[in-house]
This record gives sequence, structure tokens and C-alpha cells, in this order.
Amino acid sequence: KAGVTQTPRYLIKTRGQQVTLSCSPISGHRSVSWYQQTPGQGLQFLFEYFSETQRNKGNFPGRFSGRQFSNSRSEMNVSTLELGDSALYLCASSGQGLNEQFFGPGTRLTVL
Amino acid sequence: GNSVTQMEGPVTLSEEAFLTINCTYTATGYPSLFWYVQYPGEGLQLLLKATKADDKGSNKGFEATYRKETTSFHLEKGSVQVSDSAVYFCALINSGGSNYKLTFGKGTLLTVNP
Repeated sequence: KAGVTQTPRYLIKTRGQQVTLSCSPISGHRSVSWYQQTPGQGLQFLFEYFSETQRNKGNFPGRFSGRQFSNSRSEMNVSTLELGDSALYLCASSGQGLNEQFFGPGTRLTVL
Repeated sequence: GNSVTQMEGPVTLSEEAFLTINCTYTATGYPSLFWYVQYPGEGLQLLLKATKADDKGSNKGFEATYRKETTSFHLEKGSVQVSDSAVYFCALINSGGSNYKLTFGKGTLLTVNP
């Protein structure tokens, strides 16, 4: 079974731009979560989607948004990029009734 | 709220040494506990898990026991290898309710020298 895939793997943007990251979960998984990883703050939860509905949201500004499609694929968007948004963005999927999450390789975002 | 505290790194060991990485947690209810490992340039891999008190998770020679009385989930391995060099994260998730997020510790960098 294929794992969680994320595209692109690397992105370089400038301040003020916006960016969209994509995540395809493991086949059959309907829950997708997003996390931001930085050296200073560690791993922080962004949001979680299940069946196209956001069920939980972390403490991030409204510039961070996401959505999930009917095939469970998910995207997250960051608008008006700031230097501090430079991070590794990780996506994880989980099967129904399970609480373990399986992570993708991440998208490395650099904001210049 | 939930929180996870794990020992500060970095930890440097020689091959075949014994490894312990301490992890304690604060949570309401009965969380499930996890250890994840992150190799350079990669995402997180689930190493092991435990879902209730006194459960022992194990994988690839690593073990951790869910201790409710001490709210701990320490990671151990009897004989580390160079290939175990990575960052290790302790994490929890509350079972049930509306909490679907993992709460992580800050990670412990392990370096194993030949």
C-alpha cells in the first residue's frame, strides 16, 4: 500500500506571496492532519480534516487554511507569506477508528 | 491541556550501548502514547505505540512501557546501532472526544558513533 505523498517536496517563495501544498493520504484513510515543524517551535498542529470537514484547528493565524476533497486528498494554503513561515510542513493520515497517524515526507518551504 | 516533556538532547552513544530517552506527559483522560523517529531529510515514522496503561510497545529492538502511575513512556533499546542515529519524538493523542491532534515533545537527537 502506498504511503502518504506530499507535493511539492521543496518550495521557495518570497514574502507576501501565497503557497498551496498538497497531500494524498494512504488509500482508505479519511482523516488528514497537517503539522508545521520548525527548529524553534518544534512540531505544531495546524488542522485536521475528515470527510471534507475540518474537525480541529490549531493556534495559527487565518492566513493558514486548508481543505479536503471527496477523494480525501487535502491541500493547505498559506497566504501573505512571512519569513517565519519557513518550515517543514508535514501531512499525516489516519484510518477510521485508529488513532495512529502516518506521515508523509513533508514539504520544505523557504520564504525569502 | 496536553503536554509532553522529553529529555533534552543531544544524546551521543557508542555502538552497542544501552539507550534510554525519558518521556513524561500531562493529559486528561486516557491518552494513547507514541514514539516517532525522524531520519535526516525525511518525515516522521511511527516507531511504536501503546494505547493503555501497562501496555508495552516494541519495534526494531526499541521498547517503551505506558506507566500511568508515573505518567511516563520512556524509550529504551539494549544495543544501539549507527543506523539508529535520528531524532526521536514522544507524542500523545487523546482517545475519543473531539481531539484528533498529536501533541509532541521537542525531540531528542541521538547520534551513535561506530
